[in-house]
Amino acid sequence: QQQVKQSPQSLIVQKGGISIINCAYENTAFDYFPWYQQFPGKGPALLIAIRPDVSEKKEGRFTISFNKSAKQFSLHIMDSQPGDSATYFCAASNLRGGATNKLIFGTGTLLAVQP
Amino acid sequence: NAGVTQTPKFQVLKTGQSMTLQCAQDMNHNSMYWYRQDPGMGLRLIYYSASEGTTDKGEVPNGYNVSRLNKREFSLRLESAAPSQTSVYFCASRGQGKVEAFFGQGTRLTVV
Repeated sequence: QQQVKQSPQSLIVQKGGISIINCAYENTAFDYFPWYQQFPGKGPALLIAIRPDVSEKKEGRFTISFNKSAKQFSLHIMDSQPGDSATYFCAASNLRGGATNKLIFGTGTLLAVQP
Repeated sequence: NAGVTQTPKFQVLKTGQSMTLQCAQDMNHNSMYWYRQDPGMGLRLIYYSASEGTTDKGEVPNGYNVSRLNKREFSLRLESAAPSQTSVYFCASRGQGKVEAFFGQGTRLTVV
């Protein structure tokens, strides 16, 4: 049972273009939605995160758009650079669960930004 | 500042062998997690420990056991390795009241 569905599985974008990765969730108890970035041979690292009380969060070239009614959220990478080439994971969690809350991850998107 | 340290980084096992994957964090975090990463499957939670002395099953616990040895260390044991357990294993930790999880570098395990 995949609680967080992520698409596309892979993405190729030209340098300077916009990369868009989409995720959908089912459990309405989720209240925290982070995106993690993973480079080859490394562990995932937090990139940006959003709570459902806002519809958008921007940090530099990275933006999360959140649609609570549709239970969907997406990552937009503006002016994509070759250094952005990595695997991106969306995730969801229930922070109200306190210490026992778990991070549930999507299946990942392999992004390649061509120079 | 080491963060989350996993050992070993690589391991090859024969079917039926046992081994323990070690994880230690130096950030005084309460919660620790074990995930496995497989192509097309994302990161799936195997076991987690909300605090020292407690452990709970995640999405894919079968074939694994864990021990929260102390606040710093959380180990994952494969009692009888199977080829289906070939994967990259990640340990992560999270502080009390914090939202960000920190991951180790991973252990690449191959079972032949």
